[in-house]
Amino acid sequence: RKEVEQDPGPFNVPEGATVAFNCTYSNSASQSFFWYRQDCRKEPKLLMSVYSSGNEDGRFTAQLNRASQYISLLIRDSKLSDSATYLCVVTEGAGSYQLTFGKGTKLSVIP
Amino acid sequence: SQTIHQWPATLVQPVGSPLSLECTVEGTSNPNLYWYRQAAGRGLQLLFYSVGIGQISSEVPQNLSASRPQDRQFILSSKKLLLSDSGFYLCAWGLALATDTQYFGPGTRLTVL
Repeated sequence: RKEVEQDPGPFNVPEGATVAFNCTYSNSASQSFFWYRQDCRKEPKLLMSVYSSGNEDGRFTAQLNRASQYISLLIRDSKLSDSATYLCVVTEGAGSYQLTFGKGTKLSVIP
Repeated sequence: SQTIHQWPATLVQPVGSPLSLECTVEGTSNPNLYWYRQAAGRGLQLLFYSVGIGQISSEVPQNLSASRPQDRQFILSSKKLLLSDSGFYLCAWGLALATDTQYFGPGTRLTVL
């Protein structure tokens, strides 16, 4: 069974803190990797794709380690608006139409 | 730009009643379309996906069905709802020529009593 595992949290951090989320996936054939953000009672929204070389988007940095089948998301200078659940997502494999979602890590940024 | 609509936003239905949820996409042609369910405290579960009109693939056995009568319309149905059908139903679309990124609609929150 193909799985994506995440620490459910919650992570409670003060404003301005740096926080890191980790994710492991079991399917070595997975080709694409993403982080989605889901606010309470809302739909998931794409935060960023994750590339082998690592990528950064403002305060957010994503890393991929294919050998260890491990993905991470780093958030610097946390804002109150970053409070949400962060979903780790991987594709099933080459040419697959399916995504496998982790259950998410809940982040609460505290004033 | 592309937009995706779902309705209704919320629904309360008795056990044994029928269900019809609709999803439409604007601003793109021949999208891949997906139905997911998110039960309370659980991850997203893929229910159905479609790569074209009339083409439906089911991921889990259940009392739900899906149809795609038009290119940008995806419908989720049930003849008789169960208590276990309660959840947050999300429709998503993705580009037909790419098999990865998916974009979600606002969802329908279904409560079966």
